[in-house]
This record gives sequence, structure tokens and C-alpha cells, in this order.
Amino acid sequence: NAGVTQTPKFQVLKTGQSMTLQCAQDMNHEYMSWYRQDPGMGLRLIHYSVGAGITDQGEVPNGYNVSRSTTEDFPLRLLSAAPSQTSVYFCASSYVPGLAGGPAGELFFGEGSRLTVL
Amino acid sequence: LAKTTQPISMDSYEGQEVNITCSHNNIATNDYITWYQQFPSQGPRFIIQGYKTKVTNEVASLFIPADRKSSTLSLPRVSLSDTAVYYCLVAADNYGQNFVFGPGTRLSVLP
Repeated sequence: NAGVTQTPKFQVLKTGQSMTLQCAQDMNHEYMSWYRQDPGMGLRLIHYSVGAGITDQGEVPNGYNVSRSTTEDFPLRLLSAAPSQTSVYFCASSYVPGLAGGPAGELFFGEGSRLTVL
Repeated sequence: LAKTTQPISMDSYEGQEVNITCSHNNIATNDYITWYQQFPSQGPRFIIQGYKTKVTNEVASLFIPADRKSSTLSLPRVSLSDTAVYYCLVAADNYGQNFVFGPGTRLSVLP
């Protein structure tokens, strides 16, 4: 299994350009999410999804758009890139416990996509 | 949300046992305690998770006192490759905004 795959690994954009960061997982996980990590800081949640057709905002959603048309894919779109969006972006996925609940599922992360906006 | 507090950084030497303590005074009844490890230029990786008492796996132990207001991640006999950032998270599940990664503890293992 490949796990969580992110593309591209590196990208340079000019202010105002748009682009899509791709994320795919082959573990049949219902939950997928996008984080950004700025230098020396923890991860901040951008958007997340608990299943196909369901998305919700995280802590820092402005300037980003997501959709979840399949279980496997969860692309992150930058609508009009700004220098403040220069960061490393991580996609993560996990299973969702059933109705009986249980402990938090382990988050599996991709290797990250490093984005620079000039 | 249960806020966590952990040291910003720690130094250790190879072969020593390292204990990283995390404070979570307002942990809720349904919350679990989870630790992640992050190497430079990589995504975080799950280390261990627990609810109470002690949990041990092949890489670490997690000690949780009865009041659950803190927890200690124990790494036995660290090596240079254990140099990483360690995150303590407290939540009932890992979905959405309940699962918060703080700045973590930057562990440096010296030869």
C-alpha cells in the first residue's frame, strides 16, 4: 500500500495564481484532512472531510477550497495565492470508528507539499 | 478543547531514557491522549495512545496518572535518530478542530 500520497512535493507560485494540491489515500479511510505548517510551529487544520460529499472548515480555511467526490481523493485548491500561504501542506487520513465509538483513529500523513508564493 | 502544555525543547544523550511530560488539566472524560513524532521534512507519525494507567508498545511507553491531568511519554535508550518534534494531543477523536497540534517538544539527541 502507498498510504497517503501528495503531489506535487514542491511548487512555486506567483501572487494571484491558483493551483490544486492533490492528496490520495489507498486505505479506504473515511476521514481526510489538510493541515498547513509554518516554520517552527505546529500544524493548523485547514479543511477536513468525514466522507465523500462531506467537507467542513478547520481553523484556517480562508483562501482554500476543498471537495470530496471519492473516498480516495481530497484535493486542496488555492483560489488566488498570496505570500501568506507560503507553507508546508500535509494531507492526513484515518478510519472513522463505528457507532460504538472508541479511541481516536491513528492519523496517517503524507510527506508534505512545500509551497512558495512569490 | 483540552489545552496541552509541554516543554518547548529538550536535550538528551544517546542511550539515555527520555521522559516528556504533557499537562492537560481540563481533559474531558471521553478524551484520549495521543503522541505523534515528526522528523524534519516529514509528516507526523503516530507513536502511542492511551486513556489511563500505562501503555507500552515497541517504541515508547505512556504513563497516565489516575487524575489524567498529565501524561508522560517515555522513550527508552534514545538514539540520534530519535531527534524530532513530539506532539501531545488530547481529544475524544481525531476529527476536525478537536484534534489540535501545538508547537510540540523539540527533542535533540546528542552523541
